Amino acid sequence: KNQVEQSPQSLIILEGKNCTLQCNYTVSPFSNLRWYKQDTGRGPVSLTIMTFSENTKSNGRYTATLDADTKQSSLHITASQLSDSASYICVVIRGGSQGNLIFGKGTKLSVKP
Amino acid sequence: DSGVTQTPKHLITATGQRVTLRCSPRSGDLSVYWYQQSLDQGLQFLIQYYNGEERAKGNILERFSAQQFPDLHSELNLSSLELGDSALYFCASSVIAGPIYNEQFFGPGTRLTVL
Repeated sequence: KNQVEQSPQSLIILEGKNCTLQCNYTVSPFSNLRWYKQDTGRGPVSLTIMTFSENTKSNGRYTATLDADTKQSSLHITASQLSDSASYICVVIRGGSQGNLIFGKGTKLSVKP
Repeated sequence: DSGVTQTPKHLITATGQRVTLRCSPRSGDLSVYWYQQSLDQGLQFLIQYYNGEERAKGNILERFSAQQFPDLHSELNLSSLELGDSALYFCASSVIAGPIYNEQFFGPGTRLTVL
């Protein structure tokens, strides 16, 4: 079954600290993987898009990694800010003529002062 | 602001009723996607349109239907509403049809509450 599992479900950290969010997937065939940030009550915003051949991709303080062999991805946030408080959603896109997006349930991150 | 607009922002209705959600894609985007996000659930892909034609179908119920008009705006029609249909409904748009390498821009969503 095509699934995307994220951990932890929720996380509380202090401002300025780093954190890492995990994503494991069983989607096949794999096309690419994306991380989205979703503020409460708002639409998701893309952070990174990673293809099969990419191991690491950065976007400012966000760094995503992908291990296609173990089917795992992580999103590392450096020097967290209060504005990083949001849900972070891992999305895996299946290969094929039309593709298919499989969404994880997200990790809810709270950054406290 | 993603450039994708959705109306209304909130909608409260009763079971058995029918509602229409509206989405205007970003200028120049030809593809529109609809998603449902229930409480404590991930986003579920419902349906995609490209330049007026249905392109891909996800977990869309038979009670739900959508269309994309010549001006590229899209409407999602939900009928015979049930309590379980209460959710956030998001629209996204992209330039081209396929989701592969193709970034989608999400609207602010419509929160539907069925009482």
